[in-house]
This record gives sequence, C-alpha cells and structure tokens, in this order.
Amino acid sequence: GAGVSQSPRYKVAKRGQDVALRCDPISGHVSLFWYQQALGQGPEFLTYFQNEAQLDKSGLPSDRFFAERPEGSVSTLKIQRTQQEDSAVYLCASSSKQGNLNQPQHFGDGTRLSIL
Amino acid sequence: KQEVTQIPAALSVPEGENLVLNCSFTDSAIYNLQWFRQDPGKGLTSLLLIQSSQREQTSGRLNASLDKSSGRSTLYIAASQPGDSATYLCAVRPGTDKLIFGTGTRLQVFP
Repeated sequence: GAGVSQSPRYKVAKRGQDVALRCDPISGHVSLFWYQQALGQGPEFLTYFQNEAQLDKSGLPSDRFFAERPEGSVSTLKIQRTQQEDSAVYLCASSSKQGNLNQPQHFGDGTRLSIL
Repeated sequence: KQEVTQIPAALSVPEGENLVLNCSFTDSAIYNLQWFRQDPGKGLTSLLLIQSSQREQTSGRLNASLDKSSGRSTLYIAASQPGDSATYLCAVRPGTDKLIFGTGTRLQVFP
C-alpha cells in the first residue's frame, strides 16, 4: 500500500476485555515498530520486529501486552485484561532496510484505545 | 538513559514569522535525529532526518541543524503559515532501532 495502515482507528473496550490492534506496514518494509502515545506526550517505544523476528520487546509495559508478526508483514498488538492506564494511541511504524539505521520510520495514523 | 526535551512546549505566532523550535538530548551517542509533524488525530509525518555526521538538512521552508556534541537540534521554520499549525516532535535514534521522542512543541500560527 501507499502508507502504513492501522485498524481499527478507534477502539472502546471495557476494563478486563482483550483487544487486538492491527498494522499493515508499507509493502516490502522489513522493520516494524509499535509505539504507545499517551495524551500530550511523545510516543514511547514498545517493540520492534525485523521480518518475523521480534528483536526487541523491552518497551512492553507488562506481560499483558503481546505482539506478533508471523509472516513478516502484518503485525498484531494484543492487550489482555485491559486496564484504564492502557488508554492511549498505539502507533505503528515501518522502515525499509534492515541494518540501516538512517532509514526514516514511516508512521500510520494510529489506533486510539479507550478503556472504560 | 537517553532523555529528549523540547522547548517551548507551546508557541503561538502570527503568520509570516520565522520560528525556532528547540530539541535537546542527554546522550550524544546517536545515529541520527528526526523531526516529525503530528496533526490532531493523525500519525507522525517525517519532516527531516539528520545523520550524526551531518550538521543540517533543509526541505523547503524548513531547516534543521544538529550539534551532536552539545546535544542540541533546532528546527527553523521560515515565513510561517497557518497550515504549519501542528505538534512538532523530535526523536533520536540511539544506536538501536527504536526512536526516543521528546514531548513535542505545539505550534499555532494565526492569520
């Protein structure tokens, strides 16, 4: 596709429910990133994939957060037993060349998650 | 731990003014620094990327400079327009693949 696509754009869930957020990166992009952005803050890193391998998950706030990219393209971020502090915008980004740290990251419009 | 700070947090100016947005970071060991624009309810649009070996990058009315040794970057916007109103974020890449962001400068340009 032309850009990074995320779905749904908005998600409202009750506390305790599980949610799944989807990211379609730019076609052919090797690297995929998930970030969490709280209101009025900059994005904070959650996890990073190179193809299907999850190389860094140091930013995941708890074991309730799980991400996968089984075929090296689409990625899903899952949050189990959601809590109110999980309310945020979840941003996905992709970049093209593995090992080239000077490739810019291209971001999707994000999923705004609200936990009631 | 790398920390990124942006000053000012908010800025409101009349159309036509030249602007400087500031970004500082605590650890000079970075691969690059990237400036982004974020419109309300939208994702991030990359504006400029400065590699650690570079001093500045220009795109149209935008110019970004980098002084890695002092841990500073500035984004200069010439002849501001109402369409420039947005939040501007800087982010550093410390050598791993992730970006570390500042909290942003919210810019409003009024006619």
